Amino acid sequence: DAGITQSPRHKVTETGTPVTLRCHQTENHRYMYWYRQDPGHGLRLIHYSYGVKDTDKGEVSDGYSVSRSKTEDFLLTLESATSSQTSVYFCAISERQIDGYTFGSGTRLTVV
Amino acid sequence: AQSVTQPDIHITVSEGASLELRCNYSYGATPYLFWYVQSPGQGLQLLLKYFSGDTLVQGIKGFEAEFKRSQSSFNLRKPSVHWSDAAEYFCAVGARASNTGKLIFGQGTTLQVKP
Repeated sequence: DAGITQSPRHKVTETGTPVTLRCHQTENHRYMYWYRQDPGHGLRLIHYSYGVKDTDKGEVSDGYSVSRSKTEDFLLTLESATSSQTSVYFCAISERQIDGYTFGSGTRLTVV
Repeated sequence: AQSVTQPDIHITVSEGASLELRCNYSYGATPYLFWYVQSPGQGLQLLLKYFSGDTLVQGIKGFEAEFKRSQSSFNLRKPSVHWSDAAEYFCAVGARASNTGKLIFGQGTTLQVKP
């Protein structure tokens, strides 16, 4: 409804396997963000993008990489998943900071 | 560095009672401030925001928040809570001078509403 979708919605994967989560927007917003949500920690920023091919690290970026080859897609990759990366991952988009974020519905990732 | 603290992890109020959720921030200047709500199993929805002007801001679902510079606070209030307000609430802060648009979120407050 807000023009942002995340896929998959749920995923179970094994330790050591690579995983890619996708965030797709139809709003043509400049900024895109990946957060993880864990009990007691709120939302913590993993990586963000401020334009095509322009990305930077957030506070919990170790073990994650991102890519943004076009405005509408922002991919989050776990190169070799670990159990500590079991979490709910949220993508958010923004055009202007004063407008705040629009969030996706989240991806629940379980690493076994 | 910016930080956000929500001192109350869990709050329980009776339906119809008033509500106040606390948010304190640390930042060198006046930041942009936001409150988001997350219903169980859902994404986050923007309730309200402050960036300048009147320090009392109105949001959706009957919520309001007051920015108090002297206390570095942005507390969320509602005069009469409904059962549907049970959710997790997040305060967030953004730096005005930022060219990244990043927001820092608090740990969240879970609201339970008793019938």
